Amino acid sequence: GDSVTQMEGPVTLSEEAFLTINCTYTATGYPSLFWYVQYPGEGLQLLLKATKADDKGSNKGFEATYRKETTSFHLEKGSVQVSDSAVYFCALSGDNDYKLSFGAGTTVTVRA
Amino acid sequence: DTAVSQTPKYLVTQMGNDKSIKCEQNLGHDTMYWYKQDSKKFLKIMFSYNNKELIINETVPNRFSPKSPDKAHLNLHINSLELGDSAVYFCASSRGGTGNTIYFGEGSWLTVV
Repeated sequence: GDSVTQMEGPVTLSEEAFLTINCTYTATGYPSLFWYVQYPGEGLQLLLKATKADDKGSNKGFEATYRKETTSFHLEKGSVQVSDSAVYFCALSGDNDYKLSFGAGTTVTVRA
Repeated sequence: DTAVSQTPKYLVTQMGNDKSIKCEQNLGHDTMYWYKQDSKKFLKIMFSYNNKELIINETVPNRFSPKSPDKAHLNLHINSLELGDSAVYFCASSRGGTGNTIYFGEGSWLTVV
């Protein structure tokens, strides 16, 4: 079945550092890919998404490109802030699929 | 204007009790979900309804019973609560079909003592 593998955390960074969270997937067909963010004590919010190969999703300074050749959707941000401290989830929705399959989540802590 | 709202946000209850979590969405979506997040933050689909019809029923104990009175509501009833049921339960909704964004509620923190 469909699955998502993302890098394990926790990740601790200093403000203004570069952030990368790796995400790879296994799926048949052409899944849609998502990054969700969960701030402490809150629910999940969509951060960005891409629905076809080579699409780039971007939001709040975060970017991820749908790479079918490497089955990857890595999340990047050039300069993180303390407010980016959260748990980040990579997820996919397969062809004709009514659900999201999530990766294990990566906890990111940004220190001032 | 909360898009997906669920109540209660916090629930502490004793083993063996029966409890319900209610969920409502005002986005006009036709598909609703229940996800469970465990203590390690892992998220797993439990149920999904499309136009009030159950379309996903993952391996969940039959003590868990979803009910969808209409397209805007999906409630979760749990019988005979066990310690292992302690988790965060997220309701969500979307327009049906792949690629559509799923919108989550703020979660219901269930603690069974």
